[in-house]
Amino acid sequence: AAGVIQSPRHLIKEKRETATLKCYPIPRHDTVYWYQQGPGQDPQFLISFYEKMQSDKGSIPDRFSAQQFSDYHSELNMSSLELGDSALYFCASSLVGGDDYEQYFGPGTRLTVT
Amino acid sequence: GNSVTQMEGPVTLSEEAFLTINCTYTATGYPSLFWYVQYPGEGLQLLLKATKADDKGSNKGFEATYRKETTSFHLEKGSVQVSDSAVYFCALIFSGGYQKVTFGTGTKLQVIP
Repeated sequence: AAGVIQSPRHLIKEKRETATLKCYPIPRHDTVYWYQQGPGQDPQFLISFYEKMQSDKGSIPDRFSAQQFSDYHSELNMSSLELGDSALYFCASSLVGGDDYEQYFGPGTRLTVT
Repeated sequence: GNSVTQMEGPVTLSEEAFLTINCTYTATGYPSLFWYVQYPGEGLQLLLKATKADDKGSNKGFEATYRKETTSFHLEKGSVQVSDSAVYFCALIFSGGYQKVTFGTGTKLQVIP
């Protein structure tokens, strides 16, 4: 079965640079979620999109922005990167209104800021 | 708000020992409960879930029962293996709509031969 795809899997950036993370949800899923997991931490919710509109917002810094496109893939844009942004970024997808509302997680993008 | 509390790790067990990782939750209403596993350097995998009170989720020898009266969802396995070494996250989510997952802080399990 198709799973959530994230790219790139690893990314190394320097401070003050920008980064773009991409997420391709499971086909027919209409909702995408972004989570950030710092070293030794639990995943923290950043933001979600339902049918291309922002549906919920968590602890996402103002330096970050995200959107969901017409093909339902999503991109997380991160600017003015800081050392503290080094983390594993997960994307998850789900089908709202379906019997199975479970969120399916991608493998994550490991961002290292030096 | 909603929250999940897990026992702190790391938990170190010998192979074939019995495992319990405690998890309790605080929520308004009746969420669905999950256990996720994260192997070293990898992403999150759903281990098991339960969607209503008294449901038992099970997978790969792991089990957890949704106890509404104690707001708990403890993870158990009768005989752990070295390959079970990972971080385990208890989590909750409410059904209906685009609800975020609330995770516990994770419990690291190390199984030694």
